[in-house]
Amino acid sequence: EAGVTQFPSHSVIEKGQTVTLRCDPISGHDNLYWYRRVMGKEIKFLLHFVKESKQDESGMPNNRFLAERTGGTYSTLKVQPAELEDSGVYFCASSPLPLTDTQYFGPGTRLTVL
Amino acid sequence: AQSVTQLDSQVPVFEEAPVELRCNYSSSVSVYLFWYVQYPNQGLQLLLKYLSGSTLVESINGFEAEFNKSQTSFHLRKPSVHISDTAEYFCAALNAGKSTFGDGTTLTVKP
Repeated sequence: EAGVTQFPSHSVIEKGQTVTLRCDPISGHDNLYWYRRVMGKEIKFLLHFVKESKQDESGMPNNRFLAERTGGTYSTLKVQPAELEDSGVYFCASSPLPLTDTQYFGPGTRLTVL
Repeated sequence: AQSVTQLDSQVPVFEEAPVELRCNYSSSVSVYLFWYVQYPNQGLQLLLKYLSGSTLVESINGFEAEFNKSQTSFHLRKPSVHISDTAEYFCAALNAGKSTFGDGTTLTVKP
């Protein structure tokens, strides 16, 4: 069974540009999560989808971040415009229902904003 | 709100020595506890988890962790480490679909 995949693995952009990160969850997993680790600090929750609906987006830092999950399959996280402090590793995770199930993480996308 | 504290940011040990990576959590509700490992240049991998039942949980590669409710701890231990255990280890608490992570502990195993 394929795991959670993320694309790209690395992205280097300049401040003010737009970047879109993609996450493909494990097939059949209704729950999809985005997390971020900035500058070696703790991994922080960004948001949670159940199928195509946003269940909890309390961790989204500001309105420059937009997450979508069309059709309840893959998800994208767009940062527009990117700022220096957005640099970090963005992790995606998925899990089946219920919410107590283990979250399976992807390899992450390392974003560097110059 | 829940929080997770990993008490050591760096743990250097010699090969075949025992190791303990400490994790404390705080939560007003029941949580599920996890240890994840991130090897160099790889993603997060689940190492072991406590959901319910026996408070001692084990992984396939010799790690174990004990859930201690009275001390709100979930320390990770291994009686004899290998060079290949060098990695960053994260303790996490899951509640209502949201994982809260500690800052991570870098375990460096030296020959």
